[in-house]
Amino acid sequence: NAGVTQTPKFQVLKTGQSMTLQCAQDMNHNSMYWYRQDPGMGLRLIYYSASEGTTDKGEVPNGYNVSRLNKREFSLRLESAAPSQTSVYFCASIGPLNQPQHFGDGTRLSIL
Amino acid sequence: GNSVTQMEGPVTLSEEAFLTINCTYTATGYPSLFWYVQYPGEGLQLLLKATKADDKGSNKGFEATYRKETTSFHLEKGSVQVSDSAVYFCARTLTDSWGKLQFGAGTQVVVTP
Repeated sequence: NAGVTQTPKFQVLKTGQSMTLQCAQDMNHNSMYWYRQDPGMGLRLIYYSASEGTTDKGEVPNGYNVSRLNKREFSLRLESAAPSQTSVYFCASIGPLNQPQHFGDGTRLSIL
Repeated sequence: GNSVTQMEGPVTLSEEAFLTINCTYTATGYPSLFWYVQYPGEGLQLLLKATKADDKGSNKGFEATYRKETTSFHLEKGSVQVSDSAVYFCARTLTDSWGKLQFGAGTQVVVTP
């Protein structure tokens, strides 16, 4: 019952470094999402992938790129990390219509 | 545009007290509505949902009713426990994509013994 798995759980970067956050789901879900969570702002959608082979921007895509590697995996990349990207990042996936999103446990990212 | 507004926290309660967390949404389309809960150090878990007007979602003693006339989906629990201490998020589906969610800012609930 792994559900949605995110790696790493914690990471500290220096400004300008690059990093890829990994996400994998084992529920055969078509759609996957990346959110960031900041105090007092709830979760904001960065990018999503409605199905394998497609990706689209969400509410706050600047500074990020994504890859839907296959149906299971959806990665988020920071090419040149900035302190404003310090946040908790959540990956989620969703199954058939009207089913809820399943979330991973998050990646806590600090950029110095 | 679409938005979800929920009451600010933290909300501090004693064990066995009654909990209400207000949530209102913009009346664009016919969204499905959700309450998610986040325990410390964990991801979000679905607590309950309602997909149409007058539906009542319930789980673990929590309830919320989809009120179209007041565009509200308030979360209630009659007698909270220390284990209910968490952050609660109200969310709605977006009209342009059934899979995408818009979240409220979250309400931290602290229950003391």
